[in-house]
Amino acid sequence: KAGVTQTPRYLIKTRGQQVTLSCSPISGHRSVSWYQQTPGQGLQFLFEYFSETQRNKGNFPGRFSGRQFSNSRSEMNVSTLELGDSALYLCASRQGNSGANVLTFGAGSRLTVL
Amino acid sequence: GQNIDQPTEMTATEGAIVQINCTYQTSGFNGLFWYQQHAGEAPTFLSYNVLDGLEEKGRFSSFLSRSKGYSYLLLKELQMKDSASYLCAVRPRAGFQKLVFGTGTRLLVSP
Repeated sequence: KAGVTQTPRYLIKTRGQQVTLSCSPISGHRSVSWYQQTPGQGLQFLFEYFSETQRNKGNFPGRFSGRQFSNSRSEMNVSTLELGDSALYLCASRQGNSGANVLTFGAGSRLTVL
Repeated sequence: GQNIDQPTEMTATEGAIVQINCTYQTSGFNGLFWYQQHAGEAPTFLSYNVLDGLEEKGRFSSFLSRSKGYSYLLLKELQMKDSASYLCAVRPRAGFQKLVFGTGTRLLVSP
């Protein structure tokens, strides 16, 4: 069973550019969430999707957005990149939307903003 | 507010036992998770506690006290491969994926 797949794994952008990151959840998982990981802040919740609907959003500016497709794949977009957006962006999937179902994380997309 | 505290770094010797503590103050509580993350890799699930008490899973055990807002992860018979970051996370609301994470405890296991 394939895990959570994130692409690209590494990317470098400059300030002001925008970036789109992709996440393919485990087959059969309908719930996808995104986290930003930085050394000082740890993992911080960005948003979660279930059946193409955003169910929850973290405390990030509107430059951060996302969506989920009918096949449960998800993308997140960051516009007008800032230096502080340099981070590891992690996607996680879960089978259902309730209970103790465990989040399974992908290896992440490491974004460097110059 | 949401706050999760855990030590930044710990060191231990191969074969020893180490306890990583986590205290939390969150707006709600619907379970506490421990994840392990090796450098450059994805966090992987270790344990889940939603009721008070000890959950044992091989060399790893996790304890929860909801009244004290406290959990610990106990690692026995430490191995070099246990050198990693250990992340404590709380799910404030049932039915949602949002987890509130601590900044993680980096464990260094020496020979």
